[in-house]
Amino acid sequence: EILLTQSPATLSLSPGERATLSCRASQSISDSLAWYQQRPGQAPRLLIYGASHRVTGIPDRFSGSGSGTDFTLTISSLEPEDFAVYYCQERNNWPSITFGQGTRLDIK
Amino acid sequence: DVQLVESGGGLAQPGGSLRLSCAASGFTFSTYEFNWVRQAPGKGLEWISYISNKYPRVEYAESVKGRFTISRDNAKNTLYLQMDNLRAEDTAVYYCTREFWYLNLWGRGTLVTVSS
Repeated sequence: EILLTQSPATLSLSPGERATLSCRASQSISDSLAWYQQRPGQAPRLLIYGASHRVTGIPDRFSGSGSGTDFTLTISSLEPEDFAVYYCQERNNWPSITFGQGTRLDIK
Repeated sequence: DVQLVESGGGLAQPGGSLRLSCAASGFTFSTYEFNWVRQAPGKGLEWISYISNKYPRVEYAESVKGRFTISRDNAKNTLYLQMDNLRAEDTAVYYCTREFWYLNLWGRGTLVTVSS
């Protein structure tokens, strides 16, 4: 079973700052990784798939990178609506799905 | 509109049953695979079940295997989750999700509370 470890657990930043979120897999998953955003009281939504491909309609301040075991979600300049919880998810063991434990992005 | 709408959640006693439904609209339901994902209060996301677009492949997480049953009715554009022998630890918001390798459409979820 592949485990995904996200860090940090909580990240406190101010609007306009750059956010860097990490997701590490317990074994190589190539580029089979997605990122989701969950705002308070809402369902998650897909932001990035295939490690680096942005979903249509997602602002270009969101970018994903990495392959193998280490992945990063970067938000280049935080907007107020970006403060949320972010989850990574692997798809290497289809059809089962594993999520990371999440990173909470808080307003400083 | 392209959407998924869950229903059927509520309060159940330990050992009891509930049946969740997920009504799809705005896209060709029969061509997609689906999953159920749940989120316990204040916790992260947990995948629990998958169903292919071509019956009969289904998969379950170990935490629900033997107790939950996923199914679909392509004529009604509806996904189901039959939950039997419920436990307190099944308390969560249950999300229906459409899959295209990744989970690219989510419903708003339905809350299931298991308590005596």
